[in-house]
Amino acid sequence: DVKVTQSSRYLVKRTGEKVFLECVQDMDHENMFWYRQDPGLGLRLIYFSYDVKMKEKGDIPEGYSVSREKKERFSLILESASTNQTSMYLCASSFSRGFSEKLFFGSGTQLSVL
Amino acid sequence: RKEVEQDPGPFNVPEGATVAFNCTYSNSASQSFFWYRQDCRKEPKLLMSVYSSGNEDGRFTAQLNRASQYISLLIRDSKLSDSATYLCAVDKLVFGAGTILRVKS
Repeated sequence: DVKVTQSSRYLVKRTGEKVFLECVQDMDHENMFWYRQDPGLGLRLIYFSYDVKMKEKGDIPEGYSVSREKKERFSLILESASTNQTSMYLCASSFSRGFSEKLFFGSGTQLSVL
Repeated sequence: RKEVEQDPGPFNVPEGATVAFNCTYSNSASQSFFWYRQDCRKEPKLLMSVYSSGNEDGRFTAQLNRASQYISLLIRDSKLSDSATYLCAVDKLVFGAGTILRVKS
């Protein structure tokens, strides 16, 4: 089974802190994604990556950056956390670029910014 | 207009009922469609892909209507364990906000 592991289940940070959310997948998937999920808004795509050292902006990239130095690891960075970034963050991966590929999700990180 | 829209529900149905959800999408060029299931405080998991010809998996049937730009999910003989949020996704990347289903005994 594909495993997508997010480093923390719950995280509490203060406004202005730099926050790193880590995601690792063990199935040699090419593509990795970061979403945030908020009540009533569903999943919104922040950034994604189709290859190592490659990144593309999703729908809501402002206030975030990403890093993909190795194929299996995709990190989401909040440069200066703000209260409106309190959310559930979900990492996902898929095997190839094709639109027909399903996503495998990690179990999520609930981030609270105080 | 949102790219993908779903009725948030909740749909409250008794065990054994048949229930259907729709999901509308705005991009007529969209190529692929999915239904995911998300349990409370868990990650989404793929329920089924939606093909042009429709597809069925046990009690679940998914259909695509390109002319009206929506996909549907039909659940027959609802079980308590079907209670969850059902998310539709278009072209892998764009998700709806989800429809809550509560099946009651």
